[in-house]
Amino acid sequence: GAVVSQHPSWVICKSGTSVKIECRSLDFQATTMFWYRQFPKQSLMLMATSNEGSKATYEQGVEKDKFLINHASLTLSTLTVTSAHPEDSSFYICSASVDAGGPRYNEQFFGPGTRLTVL
Amino acid sequence: AQKITQTQPGMFVQEKEAVTLDCTYDTSDPSYGLFWYKQPSSGEMIFLIYQGSYDQQNATEGRYSLNFQKARKSANLVISASQLGDSAMYFCAMRAAGKSTFGDGTTLTVKP
Repeated sequence: GAVVSQHPSWVICKSGTSVKIECRSLDFQATTMFWYRQFPKQSLMLMATSNEGSKATYEQGVEKDKFLINHASLTLSTLTVTSAHPEDSSFYICSASVDAGGPRYNEQFFGPGTRLTVL
Repeated sequence: AQKITQTQPGMFVQEKEAVTLDCTYDTSDPSYGLFWYKQPSSGEMIFLIYQGSYDQQNATEGRYSLNFQKARKSANLVISASQLGDSAMYFCAMRAAGKSTFGDGTTLTVKP
């Protein structure tokens, strides 16, 4: 159980276009979803946290208008990179958690990640 | 503020030997969870082992064990009988007060 999927797994796009990444919890309802960005050989950097039906909370330095997050349901969150530029190229990982219960303290379940390349 | 420190950017181990990856943490929350993840070159974050702040015994999961020393605020990962497939990046993470904090990671290379 506790499977999180991400789609697409990789995407190449032209500069100036928008890209949407989907994150789904397949067998559980996620109270909270998280979006991370990771550069090669570096740690995960939290971009934003979202709860179903409410606006995402963005970390300091993350542009809300550039990285649009929609948490439409308890099983789906989307990240849209608007007007993408080469510097947005990165590995994006989503995770989902259930904030109550479970054997592990507020465990996060990670998606497989999406590799974005902007030309 | 919460913090995770992994002081070993890279580690080498001979196949079949044991290796310890270091992790220290800092939090003022009395209730927290400590996690270790493996991230191979594919990028997927693979959960390895979990230790709760109130757990009395050290966690074990197959070849993985967590050396939890609460007073020292350390949560080192021990991998026994290393395999070539263990070569990957390893992250220590802490979850407390609704937030997760990750260390910078340790790249483990297993030599044949």
